[in-house]
Amino acid sequence: QVQLVESGGGVVQPGRSLRLSCVGSGFTFSSHGIHWVRQAPGKGLEWVAVISYDGNEKYYADSVKGRFTISRDNSKSTLYLQVNSLRSEDTAIYYCAKDFPTRPQIDYWGQGTLVTVSS
Amino acid sequence: QSALTQPASVSGSPGQSITISCTGTNSDIGTYNYVSWYQQHPGKAPKLMIYDVNSRPSGVSYRFSGSKSGNTASLTISGLQAEDEADYYCCSYTTSTTRVFGTGTKVTVL
Repeated sequence: QVQLVESGGGVVQPGRSLRLSCVGSGFTFSSHGIHWVRQAPGKGLEWVAVISYDGNEKYYADSVKGRFTISRDNSKSTLYLQVNSLRSEDTAIYYCAKDFPTRPQIDYWGQGTLVTVSS
Repeated sequence: QSALTQPASVSGSPGQSITISCTGTNSDIGTYNYVSWYQQHPGKAPKLMIYDVNSRPSGVSYRFSGSKSGNTASLTISGLQAEDEADYYCCSYTTSTTRVFGTGTKVTVL
């Protein structure tokens, strides 16, 4: 079955950096676009970034552009999110989620990893 | 990109039907039929309920259906059951090749 497992979250001070990871299994990782979506405590879902199946195309939400970098290593079936210059408003559960192979919509989600930005 | 607009809450009694609206713009819902809906129970990851405006993934109850008119998409839950109580989010592909989620709707079964 499809599995997406995130890791790398934790408590970090404002202005510091963190790298989140997401390992996929149960599907052909290199055939799917994959996203990061976050959810602040008690709030709604916010789309963060997407990377194409081959890593050649990357798109970001305006709120994270210039601070976050999405990347992938298909040989390791792993997605990454480098988050820099963290702010308190970046505190959230970060989910990775994959697209259908042939349509730009999310069909499966991981369980998420919590990032808390606090001094 | 501003979030798609959903009502904050919708409620209904068991067996009734409810509809959740999701209003966007010509840059998202109005241009593409790539509208999906997700159900999220407290403390859980979202789950896909509808894609391509009105298609149901395998395993999702026939009681869930979707539609679209202009810049507004809708999710209807018929024969409301206690297990349907959750938060629901719409999502659309956009002309900027990004995605945008709705503000979310809390469904309460009375």
